[in-house]
Amino acid sequence: DAGVTQSPTHLIKTRGQQVTLRCSPKSGHDTVSWYQQALGQGPQFIFQYYEEEERQRGNFPDRFSGHQFPNYSSELNVNALLLGDSALYLCASSRNRISGANVLTFGAGSRLTVL
Amino acid sequence: GQQLNQSPQSMFIQEGEDVSMNCTSSSIFNTWLWYKQDPGEGPVLLIALYKAGELTSNGRLTAQFGITRKDSFLNISASIPSDVGIYFCAGQLGGAQKLVFGQGTRLTINP
Repeated sequence: DAGVTQSPTHLIKTRGQQVTLRCSPKSGHDTVSWYQQALGQGPQFIFQYYEEEERQRGNFPDRFSGHQFPNYSSELNVNALLLGDSALYLCASSRNRISGANVLTFGAGSRLTVL
Repeated sequence: GQQLNQSPQSMFIQEGEDVSMNCTSSSIFNTWLWYKQDPGEGPVLLIALYKAGELTSNGRLTAQFGITRKDSFLNISASIPSDVGIYFCAGQLGGAQKLVFGQGTRLTINP
């Protein structure tokens, strides 16, 4: 059973460019969340997608946008890249539950370097 | 905003020693989670805590959810080389809510 898969694993961009990161959730999961992890820090929540809509959003500018497809996979787009966007971008999937905890499964991440 | 404070930031221990790390918050969380992250990997869930005062074990790992719901600790007994990594605590308000992570505790083990 494949877990959460992300692509690409590494990429290098220059300031002002745009980037798209992709995520396939774990089988049976319908909710996808994205986190940004700067070097030496804990992950920071960007947003969460469920039923192809953004359900929650963290404290990130509009340059960060996303999409969820009918097969539950998701994309994270970042426009007008800044040096400070360099980080490990983690995708996490979960099964939406009405009650109880929502345990996340994380992918290995996409490491973005902005020059 | 919500913030979790982990301590210590780093630990250097001998193989076989016991380890203790903790996490505190200014906010109440309904769920506390402990993750481990190895280099080049995403965080992997170790223990989930759902009730205030709950004490849960997973092999050599033991974690407790503070009664005030504002803190948690993680203990590792008889450390082994594969315990090396970064340990993160995370709080969650509700089932579908975001995770708020601490800044991590880096564990290094001398053989």
